[in-house]
Amino acid sequence: DTGVSQDPRHKITKRGQNVTFRCDPISEHNRLYWYRQTLGQGPEFLTYFQNEAQLEKSRLLSDRFSAERPKGSFSTLEIQRTEQGDSAMYLCASLSGSYNEQFFGPGTRLTVL
Amino acid sequence: RKEVEQDPGPFNVPEGATVAFNCTYSNSASQSFFWYRQDCRKEPKLLMSVYSSGNEDGRFTAQLNRASQYISLLIRDSKLSDSATYLCVVNTGNQFYFGTGTSLTVIP
Repeated sequence: DTGVSQDPRHKITKRGQNVTFRCDPISEHNRLYWYRQTLGQGPEFLTYFQNEAQLEKSRLLSDRFSAERPKGSFSTLEIQRTEQGDSAMYLCASLSGSYNEQFFGPGTRLTVL
Repeated sequence: RKEVEQDPGPFNVPEGATVAFNCTYSNSASQSFFWYRQDCRKEPKLLMSVYSSGNEDGRFTAQLNRASQYISLLIRDSKLSDSATYLCVVNTGNQFYFGTGTSLTVIP
């Protein structure tokens, strides 16, 4: 499978715990995005990487959130001291420079108890 | 004002019907436009890009009106398998803005 993959697919955690999600983009795609989606809403932009450089971060991304893309390949999104309001689907998308068409991974569904 | 506004529906239509969705965007500098389809509890999947000249892919037609800042999606001869949420997406600079999605149910 050469699409975007995300791990884990589901995560249940207790409030106050730290969680980390991983995204593996399509190999030739140099741009990678993280989004958060809650029920009844469209995906909301969190952050964007071009290769290993994090170029933009949303105001939604509080100090508890951090993302990395260390070698310009896979990316991780960490949430520290999780809160119930962090419960959502976290989506990763990658795209090449040519057509601006994003391809999404299956998402990580986070539930904070 | 939201970057992208979309009628959430729901749209409930019989098989074979034609249905149209509209979406407006606020930033006249937006440069690319897309429609994505999202099935329940799944990731969004690209349905089609939207070009200024309009474009068609089988039963699906997308239109862009830059002067009025709206995009549309027309689905002809609806199939049961078209039931999903349709997301309008606008690209401005490095960011992509999603509408809330329009829910479509095609009824036998």
